[in-house]
Amino acid sequence: AQSVSQHNHHVILSEAASLELGCNYSYGGTVNLFWYVQYPGQHLQLLLKYFSGDPLVKGIKGFEAEFIKSKFSFNLRKPSVQWSDTAEYFCAVTTGSARQLTFGSGTQLTVLP
Amino acid sequence: EAEVAQSPRYKITEKSQAVAFWCDPISGHATLYWYRQILGQGPELLVQFQDESVVDDSQLPKDRFSAERLKGVDSTLKIQPAELGDSAMYLCASSLVTDTQYFGPGTRLTVL
Repeated sequence: AQSVSQHNHHVILSEAASLELGCNYSYGGTVNLFWYVQYPGQHLQLLLKYFSGDPLVKGIKGFEAEFIKSKFSFNLRKPSVQWSDTAEYFCAVTTGSARQLTFGSGTQLTVLP
Repeated sequence: EAEVAQSPRYKITEKSQAVAFWCDPISGHATLYWYRQILGQGPELLVQFQDESVVDDSQLPKDRFSAERLKGVDSTLKIQPAELGDSAMYLCASSLVTDTQYFGPGTRLTVL
């Protein structure tokens, strides 16, 4: 079965700092990759997704992620974070025809004003 | 923008009691999912429906959990009897034929 690893459980940054959250998955076949975000008190929202094509995908609110197949990675980036980016970020993957999401354990991002 | 609806948002119950959660997916979404999210972890799939049929319930503890989607629209997840370890957030999600799942606000269950 596939698994997803998020390397950082809690990241603390100051506003305007650059962000990179790591995500690695274990599955040798075709994957669809997602980043979801959960703002305090809100439900999970899709940030961006990769199905095929350009491995650099852009999402909402200035976030982007790069799929590196050789490294089984899908890291999330943002050049300059804002206080409003404080949230929990989840990487997830679906494989094959199952279309079932397997989530990582999440990374809590705290941005200090 | 259409959203997945869930109720109740919060539920406190005593162990051995029965609880039920309701989910109304986005209109037209044939696939419905129930997840359980324990604090500090990512959501884990409990059951997946395609229309009214169960596609996968391999992770559903069937001795106490049940789920139904009788008319292929809204769905109910039940726990009977509830145990202390069931305290968690229960999330519902729905999707079209693509992989993108849209999540509801969840029901936070506390079992005392």
